[in-house]
Amino acid sequence: DAGVIQSPRHEVTEMGQEVTLRCKPISGHDYLFWYRQTMMRGLELLIYFNNNVPIDDSGMPEDRFSAKMPNASFSTLKIQPSEPRDSAVYFCASSLFIPAAGDTQYFGPGTRLTVL
Amino acid sequence: EDKVVQSPLSLVVHEGDTVTLNCSYEVTNFRSLLWYKQEKKAPTFLFMLTSSGIEKKSGRLSSILDKKELSSILNITATQTGDSAIYLCAVSNTDKLIFGTGTRLQVFP
Repeated sequence: DAGVIQSPRHEVTEMGQEVTLRCKPISGHDYLFWYRQTMMRGLELLIYFNNNVPIDDSGMPEDRFSAKMPNASFSTLKIQPSEPRDSAVYFCASSLFIPAAGDTQYFGPGTRLTVL
Repeated sequence: EDKVVQSPLSLVVHEGDTVTLNCSYEVTNFRSLLWYKQEKKAPTFLFMLTSSGIEKKSGRLSSILDKKELSSILNITATQTGDSAIYLCAVSNTDKLIFGTGTRLQVFP
């Protein structure tokens, strides 16, 4: 398996523009997680899905952020409109089971977003 | 609010030194504690700890959990330049991971 795939790897955009980040989880994994990593706040969970259904979106910063998972092999994280404070590395991760069941999460390479 | 705190934030050592990284947590419905190593890209899994007092070991790395003290340590002996990375501690509750901000380790030759 190719692991978790994310695109683009780097994104530079201007404030106010819409940004869409993409993720393909490992085949057969039922859980998909979106994280944001910054120097100040570390790695923060934004939202996670189980079998394509959003389970917990309490980490989504505000209404400008939205995430979808239309099928088991694809998810998007959208920011509209983007702001400079959204600049961060966004990771997607997937797992077969929830962490409580003893499984670990496998992370994608991340998308480095810079909003000017 | 659930939280995971790591210390030190940053550490600079010479090759051959032994280092100890700390992780403490306040998390409801604790299930397990995980350590990850993050180099330039994505975090990669090192250990998962669920039982107190049982050491997990992989080569020069070892880790142990103390549920009474709500903490864990990660030891690296005979450090090498390839150990330079951010080491992340995460705690799982019923359904998700809560990460600490990490310890940045730099090993110089």
